[in-house]
Amino acid sequence: AQSVSQHNHHVILSEAASLELGCNYSYGGTVNLFWYVQYPGQHLQLLLKYFSGDPLVKGIKGFEAEFIKSKFSFNLRKPSVQWSDTAEYFCAVIPYNQGGKLIFGQGTELSVKP
Amino acid sequence: DVKVTQSSRYLVKRTGEKVFLECVQDMDHENMFWYRQDPGLGLRLIYFSYDVKMKEKGDIPEGYSVSREKKERFSLILESASTNQTSMYLCASSLGQGRGASGETQYFGPGTRLLVL
Repeated sequence: AQSVSQHNHHVILSEAASLELGCNYSYGGTVNLFWYVQYPGQHLQLLLKYFSGDPLVKGIKGFEAEFIKSKFSFNLRKPSVQWSDTAEYFCAVIPYNQGGKLIFGQGTELSVKP
Repeated sequence: DVKVTQSSRYLVKRTGEKVFLECVQDMDHENMFWYRQDPGLGLRLIYFSYDVKMKEKGDIPEGYSVSREKKERFSLILESASTNQTSMYLCASSLGQGRGASGETQYFGPGTRLLVL
């Protein structure tokens, strides 16, 4: 079965530290890739997405992600986190031509200490 | 801005009750989705709909049904609530270009936290 795996369940960082959240998926065909973020008490919202082209994708609030097809990975990065980045982050995949169904990872809770 | 609203933020029900969760989107989107969110499990798809009166099962449809009588509204129904259905329920919508539209952003509602006693 298709699945998405996020390596870390809970990450704790100090402000200004660099962030990398891992995401791997198991699907051999073409996929579209997403990172969503859920700030405390807020809606789940799109952080960035990859469909095709440059595998390094830039999103909102200084986040970026790199698609490495050979590793089935789509890791999220930010060079310097802020306290306001405290949130839960979800990686998600839509396999091509499967009805637009998002397959989510388990989520990674990020806590940034001021 | 796309707006997806859900009828309740918090709901407390008793085992065996019939529960209705309502979702409305205001952007004329074709596709609508219901997920449940549980700690450590991420979001899991319950049902989705890509047109009025059309529905498809997601990964965990057991114990749930849905209704889509109008394009903007997608209802999730728990026929007989059980304690293992205590969860956060999220509704989402996307523009939709027929079934198979794989590149679309989904827009989420605020969620309904359901407690079944």
